[in-house]
Amino acid sequence: AQSVSQHNHHVILSEAASLELGCNYSYGGTVNLFWYVQYPGQHLQLLLKYFSGDPLVKGIKGFEAEFIKSKFSFNLRKPSVQWSDTAEYFCAVSNTGGFKTIFGAGTRLFVKA
Amino acid sequence: GAGVSQSPSNKVTEKGKDVELRCDPISGHTALYWYRQSLGQGLEFLIYFQGNSAPDKSGLPSDRFSAERTGGSVSTLTIQRTQQEDSAVYLCASSFEAGRGQETQYFGPGTRLLVL
Repeated sequence: AQSVSQHNHHVILSEAASLELGCNYSYGGTVNLFWYVQYPGQHLQLLLKYFSGDPLVKGIKGFEAEFIKSKFSFNLRKPSVQWSDTAEYFCAVSNTGGFKTIFGAGTRLFVKA
Repeated sequence: GAGVSQSPSNKVTEKGKDVELRCDPISGHTALYWYRQSLGQGLEFLIYFQGNSAPDKSGLPSDRFSAERTGGSVSTLTIQRTQQEDSAVYLCASSFEAGRGQETQYFGPGTRLLVL
């Protein structure tokens, strides 16, 4: 069955710490990978996405993610977090040519000022 | 321009009642998606529309759930004879088109449904 696994449900960091949120997927065929973010009181919005090409993808607000096909992973990283990065982060996967997107359970990040 | 809007923002109902949830997508977006987010869970895909057609309804949890879209715009998700396990946040998203799996989805604020 198709699935997306986010290993950390809650992460607490201090400002300036480095961040890595894990995401692994189980999905047949060619995949498209996404990270969405939901800031407190706001709608879910796209952070970054990968379709093909360079497996290191850069998104908004200094975030990046690396697609490692052999590990079925798409981990999200940021070298130095800010208090404003406090949010819930969702990894998602879809098949090329499809429309169904599978989301992970989300990781709540709290950054201490 | 205006984003995806959903109404009501909150809905409290009694078990056994029917509810209708509404989604207004971004103007010009042909694809529309419904998801359900239960407490502590990820987003569960319910149904997708391309125009007024729903090619895949297999994500709907039971036959008490139905959805329609008219005029390629507004969509309504209806839950008949609500049960307590239907309590969740129902999210709607839209995108310019679908079928490549690469489209960015733009989400609405959700409707929080509580079934007593």
